[in-house]
Amino acid sequence: NAGVTQTPKFQVLKTGQSMTLQCAQDMNHNSMYWYRQDPGMGLRLIYYSASEGTTDKGEVPNGYNVSRLNKREFSLRLESAAPSQTSVYFCASRGGSGGSQETQYFGPGTRLLVL
Amino acid sequence: EDQVTQSPEALRLQEGESSSLNCSYTVSGLRGLFWYRQDPGKGPEFLFTLYSAGEEKEKERLKATLTKKESFLHITAPKPEDSATYLCAVQAGSNTGKLIFGQGTTLQVKP
Repeated sequence: NAGVTQTPKFQVLKTGQSMTLQCAQDMNHNSMYWYRQDPGMGLRLIYYSASEGTTDKGEVPNGYNVSRLNKREFSLRLESAAPSQTSVYFCASRGGSGGSQETQYFGPGTRLLVL
Repeated sequence: EDQVTQSPEALRLQEGESSSLNCSYTVSGLRGLFWYRQDPGKGPEFLFTLYSAGEEKEKERLKATLTKKESFLHITAPKPEDSATYLCAVQAGSNTGKLIFGQGTTLQVKP
């Protein structure tokens, strides 16, 4: 049981390049989330998928797109990377609503540097 | 506007010196308050969930408490391995699971 996995672990891009960050969970969770973490800013929600087949914007969605490929996988795409997108990206998943299912579990992160 | 503020930003303790971390929040309709621990270069690791004022949870040297305006993470007789950044987050209102995080408190425990 690996929990939440993310690939790649680290990536360097040039301004204008595109890339997709991959996230998968093996906990049969319904909801999945993408956050970015910047120094002094805390974790901020980019996009989320409350259930398979749905996606919604979070606090900082500009410059990103997402795809909920199936129940297990939720990808984040940067179409034209900008230096302001240099950050650490975390994926998380949650079982559902009510009690312990409300807890989000996080992946190890992807460190992205845009030059 | 929903908001979470953690204090202090950084805390240095000697091994065995107990202290508390604060998480103040303003939110419409609290569904839950979460504490996470984050080690350098790692993802946040879940510690506790608190749902209503007066609730308390304990795990080893950590104890989390909740009032209507704030939560405290009490660390009793800390050890160097407790050194980490502690994150507080709230879930408000709807059932989407959206979390609002504070900026974290970085704890260093010296032997």
